[in-house]
Amino acid sequence: DAGVIQSPRHEVTEMGQEVTLRCKPISGHNSLFWYRQTMMRGLELLIYFNNNVPIDDSGMPEDRFSAKMPNASFSTLKIQPSEPRDSAVYFCASSLRGAGETQYFGPGTRLLVL
Amino acid sequence: QKEVEQNSGPLSVPEGAIASLNCTYSDRGSQSFFWYRQYSGKSPELIMFIYSNGDKEDGRFTAQLNKASQYVSLLIRDSQPSDSATYLCAGSTGSARQLTFGSGTQLTVLP
Repeated sequence: DAGVIQSPRHEVTEMGQEVTLRCKPISGHNSLFWYRQTMMRGLELLIYFNNNVPIDDSGMPEDRFSAKMPNASFSTLKIQPSEPRDSAVYFCASSLRGAGETQYFGPGTRLLVL
Repeated sequence: QKEVEQNSGPLSVPEGAIASLNCTYSDRGSQSFFWYRQYSGKSPELIMFIYSNGDKEDGRFTAQLNKASQYVSLLIRDSQPSDSATYLCAGSTGSARQLTFGSGTQLTVLP
């Protein structure tokens, strides 16, 4: 079975540009999570969807960040405009039923904003 | 105070020794706990989860949960150089019981 798929794997962009990260969860999983990982702050939950509905977006840093899940097999995380402090690894994860269950992580997108 | 705290290490053990990784949590309502391993440049991968007080063993790994003292630990027996990685502890916290991760403990197993 394919795991969580993320694209792109690497992204280098300039400050002010729009960045869109994509995620395909494991088939049959109904919960999807976006995380950000930095050396300073560790692994932080940005937003959590259950059955395509955002349940908790309290971790979204500011209005520049937005996330959508138009269907059960696709989600996007958009940063507009991007800033150098957004540089991090962004992980998408999915779980079978809910937030308190085993989460399976994708390979991550390494974002560098110059 | 972070909801999930780990001794940040780094921790070094010789090959064949037992590595002990510890984690404490502040939310008494937390019900499930997870240990993930993350190799440098890779994504976290699940090692074990534990829901009940006591020990849970899986091969060389043993997870221990003590809800009264609010700590979780992971023991790695017969440590191998391939166990060298960062180990992340996570607990289900908050109103939606989403996972909150500790900052991780970097383990190095010396040949």
